[in-house]
Amino acid sequence: GDSVTQMEGPVTLSEEAFLTINCTYTATGYPSLFWYVQYPGEGLQLLLKATKADDKGSNKGFEATYRKETTSFHLEKGSVQVSDSAVYFCALSERTDKLIFGTGTRLQVFP
Amino acid sequence: EAGVAQSPRYKIIEKRQSVAFWCNPISGHATLYWYQQILGQGPKLLIQFQNNGVVDDSQLPKDRFSAERLKGVDSTLKIQPAKLEDSAVYLCASSSRTSGGTDTQYFGPGTRLTVL
Repeated sequence: GDSVTQMEGPVTLSEEAFLTINCTYTATGYPSLFWYVQYPGEGLQLLLKATKADDKGSNKGFEATYRKETTSFHLEKGSVQVSDSAVYFCALSERTDKLIFGTGTRLQVFP
Repeated sequence: EAGVAQSPRYKIIEKRQSVAFWCNPISGHATLYWYQQILGQGPKLLIQFQNNGVVDDSQLPKDRFSAERLKGVDSTLKIQPAKLEDSAVYLCASSSRTSGGTDTQYFGPGTRLTVL
């Protein structure tokens, strides 16, 4: 069945460092891909999405490109801030909109 | 615009007791989802409603879990009897998707259930 694999955390960075969180997927068709973020004490929020190959989703300085050839959707940010500390989830959905999530990656940014 | 509302936010019960969670989706959203998020894991879909009909309940443990969405608006998820392994955060989400395509799901704050 469909699945999502993302790098284990925690990822610990200093402020203004470059961030990459790896995400790869397995799917039978052509899914839509998502990054959700969960800030401490808050619910899941959509960060960005891409619905077809080579699409780039972007929001709040974060970017991810849908790479069909490598079945990947890696999350990147050029300069992280303390306020980016959160848990990041990669997810996919196919025909029924059912979201299949990865296990999440905790990001900790220190000043 | 009001977001997805859930209650209670926290619940502690003993095993074999029953518990119910309530969700009010964003106004006008046709599709409602319940997810279970066990500590250290990503959320897993339990059931998906479109209006008041079930689209997918393949991962709902039907011997103990039940859910309904009367009148196609609010929804209730019930566990009876609860087991230790049901300790998790139960997330409700809604989207405006009615047919085809992929729409954004908006999540509520969740209900954290602890079963002792």
